[in-house]
Amino acid sequence: QKEVEQNSGPLSVPEGAIASLNCTYSDRGSQSFFWYRQYSGKSPELIMSIYSNGDKEDGRFTAQLNKASQYVSLLIRDSQPSDSATYLCAVNHRGSTLGRLYFGRGTQLTVWP
Amino acid sequence: KAGVTQTPRYLIKTRGQQVTLSCSPISGHRSVSWYQQTPGQGLQFLFEYFSETQRNKGNFPGRFSGRQFSNSRSEMNVSTLELGDSALYLCASSYQTGTPSSGNTIYFGEGSWLTVV
Repeated sequence: QKEVEQNSGPLSVPEGAIASLNCTYSDRGSQSFFWYRQYSGKSPELIMSIYSNGDKEDGRFTAQLNKASQYVSLLIRDSQPSDSATYLCAVNHRGSTLGRLYFGRGTQLTVWP
Repeated sequence: KAGVTQTPRYLIKTRGQQVTLSCSPISGHRSVSWYQQTPGQGLQFLFEYFSETQRNKGNFPGRFSGRQFSNSRSEMNVSTLELGDSALYLCASSYQTGTPSSGNTIYFGEGSWLTVV
């Protein structure tokens, strides 16, 4: 069973704080990792992808990957109320095609002013 | 550049009926995937098509089927609808199939909201 687990949340942080979202996966063969943001009633929007161990930064977002621990995280610095959404972790397993992603259940983030 | 377009956006069907959902991928994208999203199960993979061929299939009953046309547009069909089929159905497209590489990933459409009553 190839599972992706996320901290269940909901997560609530004040504006300007760092929000930390975590994800673990069960398949050691996983090779590609994605974070999607989904606003209520909307479709998922890709915000970060990471393929190798370490950190990857894009603006206020930093993705961290540790394949040995089977762990991927997303940090949102200087959180804004507009960041309030559900964040989905997605994993592509080795040998699987591009369009076949395994998703976690998501973590709901609320940033309060 | 237009995104992934799904139609219809909202629809209500009765148990036992069938439904067809349509997806037009981003121009130039040849791979289309379909997902079902429900509050209870989250996002679950239905199937993936590339060049009119099904490349991958999720764990759904045979009532769920799909196809892809030569212009890369795709349709999915659900027959004999059940109440539990009520969900957001998402289509995603990518430039090519195969394993992901940096910069090659899938992009979702706005989805089709299906309610079965």
